[in-house]
Amino acid sequence: QVQLVESGGGVVQPGGSLRLSCAASGFTFSNNNMDWVRQAPGKGLEWVAFIYYDESRIFYADSVKGRFTISRDNSRNTLYLQVNSLRVEDTAVYYCVKDRGYAFDMWGQGTMVTVSS
Amino acid sequence: QTVVTQEPSFSVSPGGTVTLTCGLNSGSVSTSNYPSWYQQTPGQAPHTLIYSTNTRSSGVPDRFSGSILGNKAALTITGAQADDESDYYCVLYMGSGIWVFGGGTKLTVL
Repeated sequence: QVQLVESGGGVVQPGGSLRLSCAASGFTFSNNNMDWVRQAPGKGLEWVAFIYYDESRIFYADSVKGRFTISRDNSRNTLYLQVNSLRVEDTAVYYCVKDRGYAFDMWGQGTMVTVSS
Repeated sequence: QTVVTQEPSFSVSPGGTVTLTCGLNSGSVSTSNYPSWYQQTPGQAPHTLIYSTNTRSSGVPDRFSGSILGNKAALTITGAQADDESDYYCVLYMGSGIWVFGGGTKLTVL
């Protein structure tokens, strides 16, 4: 079955960086587009970034553009999110999501990022 | 700025029918927004219910249905059950690769 396992979250000071990873299994990762979606504590969902199966198209939410970078390694079945210049408002659970073409399909369990001094 | 609107909360009696909506602060929702719906219980990851307006995700019971009602997308739950008590989120595709979620509806079954 489809499994998406995120890692790399943690506590970081404002201005710091982290690299989030998502290990995918149970489907042909290299054929699928992927997304990151986040959820601040007690708040709603926010789409963060999208990457085409072959990295030919990448899109970001305005709130993270220029600070976050989505990438993938199809040989390792792994999705990444490099998060730089972190702000307190970036504190959230970050979900890795398998895209099904104009919809979000399968969700990982998420990794928590806390930005605090 | 695009804002996707949802009812903050809703309640339904067990066995009853409820319709949650998903609108835009400016303009109408259409099938070109590819509205989809997600269910989330506290502490859990979201679960996909409906995509492309009205297509049920695999394993989702047919008492969940999606549609366009007037100028909004809608999620209808028929024969509500206790374990339907969850947060429900819609998301709309705004073009140019951009998705915007609604603020979510907290559904109470009582």
